Amino acid sequence: SYVLTQPPSVSVAPGKTASITCEGKNIGSKSVHWYQQKPGQAPVLVTYYDSVRPSGIPERFSGSNSENTATLTISRVEAGDEADYYCQVWDSRSDYVFGTGTYVTVL
Amino acid sequence: QVQLVESGGGVVQPGRSLRLSCAASGFDFNTYGMHWVRRAPGKGLEWVAAIWYDGINKYYSESVKGRFTISRDNSNNTLYLQMNSLRAEDTAVYYCARDPQSYCASDCYFHSWGQGILVTVSS
Repeated sequence: SYVLTQPPSVSVAPGKTASITCEGKNIGSKSVHWYQQKPGQAPVLVTYYDSVRPSGIPERFSGSNSENTATLTISRVEAGDEADYYCQVWDSRSDYVFGTGTYVTVL
Repeated sequence: QVQLVESGGGVVQPGRSLRLSCAASGFDFNTYGMHWVRRAPGKGLEWVAAIWYDGINKYYSESVKGRFTISRDNSNNTLYLQMNSLRAEDTAVYYCARDPQSYCASDCYFHSWGQGILVTVSS
């Protein structure tokens, strides 16, 4: 089955930039989608098709994808960005695959 | 806007059954695919099942295949998940999620999510 690996945690100071990686074999050939989930809340789609932001998602959230690593970048981090972040792809053999998840802590 | 409200969760003994419901509003329910996704305590997100807009095509994760059944009532804008032969490892918050399309052939994702409902399987 297809596996996506994320760092368990990332810490960042307010106003700085957080980068969350998602590693998978040849992930650059797939479309990667990212979700934010705050404690006790529903997940929210923050980017899809690697880098497209849904309406209402701030421009501070951006995505990229190449070779074996996809990255979600959060610029000018705010306290409200503290949450779990999951990458996700669709694989013809594994169906919907989520990454292991990364908790972003705002210092 | 899109609203998805899950119900039917609770505590159930191993081996028993439970049916979850998801009431949808704010969009044309009968034109979108729908999913169930779960998150076990201390774990990450896991896709459970999908059903396309017409209720004919259904897909399941290997962990629930043969035990869970996804269905929908387009006349009442409601999605269901019938869960049989429940196990302790099925304990999780279950989310109803909308597909961005009527069905998905590739590069699929989840457009909108409900707040989730807790299912606890314990004796």
